Amino acid sequence: EAQVTQNPRYLITVTGKKLTVTCSQNMNHEYMSWYRQDPGLGLRQIYYSMNVEVTDKGDVPEGYKVSRKEKRNFPLILESPSPNQTSLYFCASSFGDRGVLTFGAGSRLTVL
Amino acid sequence: GESVGLHLPTLSVQEGDNSIINCAYSNSASDYFIWYKQESGKGPQFIIDIRSNMDKRQGQRVTVLLNKTVKHLSLQIAATQPGDSAVYFCAETQGGKLIFGQGTELSVKP
Repeated sequence: EAQVTQNPRYLITVTGKKLTVTCSQNMNHEYMSWYRQDPGLGLRQIYYSMNVEVTDKGDVPEGYKVSRKEKRNFPLILESPSPNQTSLYFCASSFGDRGVLTFGAGSRLTVL
Repeated sequence: GESVGLHLPTLSVQEGDNSIINCAYSNSASDYFIWYKQESGKGPQFIIDIRSNMDKRQGQRVTVLLNKTVKHLSLQIAATQPGDSAVYFCAETQGGKLIFGQGTELSVKP
């Protein structure tokens, strides 16, 4: 089944404890991206990657890192999480950058 | 910065009626405009897109209209069904960047 898989789906952590949210797609998509969704603020893009070893900042990249060492994986790294990073995170992928994205099921992160 | 916004946060329609969801955008340089549907507890799902040099595109029961003169995008859903109840987001692409609107919640009354 063609899909984008995120892990973990739920996580409660504490301020400053580094964490990684993994994202993997099995569709051979070049483009991958991360979003956070917050009430009243909608979906905001954190980072995107047009292809392996190519990453760019979205609208809200502060406090996040990404890497794209392989085509199928695009992990989101929070080096020192803070409570304002409590959110619902989505990974997505597509062929090209025209916005026809396949989204993962989401990862709900709580930072205490 | 540029943003994509929606005129109405909620829309309630009778089953079988047509629905129209609107969106205003501010960046004329966007390449594509896209509509997504998000059901409760799930990730957004692609519905339909339209390239910036087009003004209308039809899919199955859905039509997207793009009016570049007034920077307006709309999604029309024909014969709305209970399964169409969800939050609908418009979005625009600018290179690899994707900017979403705030969303409209569509509620379908039986």
